[in-house]
Amino acid sequence: GDSVTQMEGPVTLSEEAFLTINCTYTATGYPSLFWYVQYPGEGLQLLLKATKADDKGSNKGFEATYRKETTSFHLEKGSVQVSDSAVYFCALRGTPGNQFYFGTGTSLTVIP
Amino acid sequence: GAVVSQHPSWVICKSGTSVKIECRSLDFQATTMFWYRQFPKQSLMLMATSNEGSKATYEQGVEKDKFLINHASLTLSTLTVTSAHPEDSSFYICSAEKGNSPLHFGNGTRLTVT
Repeated sequence: GDSVTQMEGPVTLSEEAFLTINCTYTATGYPSLFWYVQYPGEGLQLLLKATKADDKGSNKGFEATYRKETTSFHLEKGSVQVSDSAVYFCALRGTPGNQFYFGTGTSLTVIP
Repeated sequence: GAVVSQHPSWVICKSGTSVKIECRSLDFQATTMFWYRQFPKQSLMLMATSNEGSKATYEQGVEKDKFLINHASLTLSTLTVTSAHPEDSSFYICSAEKGNSPLHFGNGTRLTVT
């Protein structure tokens, strides 16, 4: 079945460091891929998405490229800020109307 | 953008009582709502999928008689935890979607059963 494997955390970075959070997926067909962010005590917010191969999703300095050949959707940011500290979830949806599959989440802490 | 409101944001109740959590889509009609449970430092576990006007579809291992879901309108779904026990203490999150849009999540409800 469909699944998402996400890099385990926690990840601790200094401010302005480069961030990569790895995400790979298993799915039949051509899923849509998402990154969600969860700040402490809150629900999830959509960070970015990509709906087909080679699409690049981007938002707030974060980017992820849908790589069909490597079945990956790694999240990157060139210079993290303290305010980026949160838990990041990779997710996929195989077919419209079907459920989302979430990775286990990666906790990021950015220190000044 | 689309907003999903979840209420209450936190609740403390005594063992044996029931608790109702509301999930509302504020500026769109949600064709489907999902209820998740999240344990500390873990991912979201889908509990059930709720479509307006029909019975909810529960995931394997989720007790439908314990976690009652009602989706009375296109903007409101409720989750009632019946006869709550300490092991039901968790973070419950709802989400809603319209058509093929990405999920929009509520801010979650922290339930503590004493």
